[in-house]
Amino acid sequence: NAGVMQNPRHLVRRRGQEARLRCSPVKGHSHVYWYRQLPEEGLKFMVYLQKENIIDESGMPKERFSAEFPKEGPSILRIQQVVRGDSAAYFCASPSNPPGQGPTNEKLFFGSGTQLSVL
Amino acid sequence: KQEVTQIPAALSVPEGENLVLNCSFTDSAIYNLQWFRQDPGKGLTSLLLIQSSQREQTSGRLNASLDKSSGRSTLYIAASQPGDSATYLCAVGDNDMRFGAGTRLTVKP
Repeated sequence: NAGVMQNPRHLVRRRGQEARLRCSPVKGHSHVYWYRQLPEEGLKFMVYLQKENIIDESGMPKERFSAEFPKEGPSILRIQQVVRGDSAAYFCASPSNPPGQGPTNEKLFFGSGTQLSVL
Repeated sequence: KQEVTQIPAALSVPEGENLVLNCSFTDSAIYNLQWFRQDPGKGLTSLLLIQSSQREQTSGRLNASLDKSSGRSTLYIAASQPGDSATYLCAVGDNDMRFGAGTRLTVKP
């Protein structure tokens, strides 16, 4: 995973609670992608962030979901008032390019994911 | 909107066989195409990256091709081994990466 760290590895929440998923890209890298993988389905793009900026959030549900990547600390994917349909594996990915370069034409390295289970 | 399709959805072969996984995409204006491997309960591992100006990439027993004009890519695995059993995902790079649903490969000893 080239140093892309996600935590927690597993997260259990009851309906209506909040879920916070964390992702730290390779040290010094400033681009993060979040993906969701539902059972038996492929990965679905959610949001692309650069430090302190949301570049593309076209895959984010309109309500309850938000993402940030502050100047200091990991990127956070927040899901408010979780429902059972939110149960999925959430992956973040970081491009392999050195800091300061664009994310295109570079390999993506993925974290091990957070498995969210909503009871 | 880019759509990525992978065929077949599942494939089972005996050890030693050569095999081909297929990926098609609807919008040929891409930056790159990447093949990943995903083991059960794990994250994704990048296998091969093909830039939009390239036609193929090779790594060991893996060879990936790209035909932008027809919107197709193939992943060729030579002399398959049980350790190759995994789900293989292709992803098309635009401003983000769009994934196919994957091909679940089982290589039987």
